[in-house]
Amino acid sequence: NAGVTQTPKFRVLKTGQSMTLLCAQDMNHEYMYWYRQDPGMGLRLIHYSVGEGTTAKGEVPDGYNVSRLKKQNFLLGLESAAPSQTSVYFCASSYSFTGSFSGANVLTFGAGSRLTVL
Amino acid sequence: EDQVTQSPEALRLQEGESSSLNCSYTVSGLRGLFWYRQDPGKGPEFLFTLYSAGEEKEKERLKATLTKKESFLHITAPKPEDSATYLCAVQHTGNQFYFGTGTSLTVIP
Repeated sequence: NAGVTQTPKFRVLKTGQSMTLLCAQDMNHEYMYWYRQDPGMGLRLIHYSVGEGTTAKGEVPDGYNVSRLKKQNFLLGLESAAPSQTSVYFCASSYSFTGSFSGANVLTFGAGSRLTVL
Repeated sequence: EDQVTQSPEALRLQEGESSSLNCSYTVSGLRGLFWYRQDPGKGPEFLFTLYSAGEEKEKERLKATLTKKESFLHITAPKPEDSATYLCAVQHTGNQFYFGTGTSLTVIP
């Protein structure tokens, strides 16, 4: 089982360029998430999806867009990259929150994508 | 405001020296508290879920406990391979998870 796969692993962009990060999961999870991790800030939620064709904003959505056209894929786009978007991006997935008696669900993370914006 | 605070930020232990990591939280309606391990250059890896105060979970040298305001991750007789960053997260009754900034653990042989 591959779990959650992120591509690319590393990318360097110039300010104003655009790019897309791809996340693919093979666990048939309903929910998918994009987080960014910065030193001293912890993981912060950018956008998430509770099912194919649906997306929602998280804590820090500005400057990012997402799409979930297929259940197994969740794309994160940067339309005009800024140096403040230099970070490590993690994709995660989980079953729906009805999967356990208390509704708490384990997140399975990808290995991360390190993005540098110059 | 929902938040998660972990302490200490960094911890250095000699091999075999037991200690505890702390995660204090304020959240409206706790669904679960999670502990993850993160190795350098990798994504967080799930360790434990705790659902209610008084609950305990164990895995090898690790034991997680939960009260109404905090959780502890106890590490007994740690080995160098236990060196990693340990993240705490809480899930409230909505869809959101809140993560702490982690404790970086170094175990010296």
